[in-house]
Amino acid sequence: NAGVTQTPKFQVLKTGQSMTLQCAQDMNHNSMYWYRQDPGMGLRLIYYSASEGTTDKGEVPNGYNVSRLNKREFSLRLESAAPSQTSVYFCASSAPTGVKGEQFFGPGTRLTVL
Amino acid sequence: GEDVEQSLFLSVREGDSSVINCTYTDSSSTYLYWYKQEPGAGLQLLTYIFSNMDMKQDQRLTVLLNKKDKHLSLRIADTQTGDSAIYFCADDYSGTYKYIFGTGTRLKVLA
Repeated sequence: NAGVTQTPKFQVLKTGQSMTLQCAQDMNHNSMYWYRQDPGMGLRLIYYSASEGTTDKGEVPNGYNVSRLNKREFSLRLESAAPSQTSVYFCASSAPTGVKGEQFFGPGTRLTVL
Repeated sequence: GEDVEQSLFLSVREGDSSVINCTYTDSSSTYLYWYKQEPGAGLQLLTYIFSNMDMKQDQRLTVLLNKKDKHLSLRIADTQTGDSAIYFCADDYSGTYKYIFGTGTRLKVLA
């Protein structure tokens, strides 16, 4: 039972390049989330998916797209990376049972855009 | 929009108690959470409190909620070096579970 996995762990991009961050969970959770973490700003929600087949914008969606490929996988795409997107990206998932609203986080992807 | 605020740093001596504070603006939160982030890792749920409770105790952890003042605190008794981490307060944003996180408080425990 791996929980939430993210790939890659580290990535360096040049301005204008594109990439996809991958996330998968094996806990049969309905909801999945993408956050970015910046110093002094906590975590901010980029996009979330309440259930398979649905996605919705969070607080900071500009410059990102997402795909909920199936119940397990939720990917985040940067179409044209900008230095302002340098951050640590976390994927999380949650289920309606258990501790209400508890989110389980992946280890993060550290992205640098030059 | 709703907001959650925390102080950025706290330093305590090993064996002392730590108190991390948080204020929030959401009047309709159902649950409030404390998450812990160790270096290079994701966040893990430490504890949580239902919004109609005033206090919750869980071993060395005590959560106090003042709903009138929208103030949440986390007390760690007998703080150990292994408690050094960043602690995030989070609000479930009116029960939607689209969390609003605070900035995180970096706790440093001095031996």
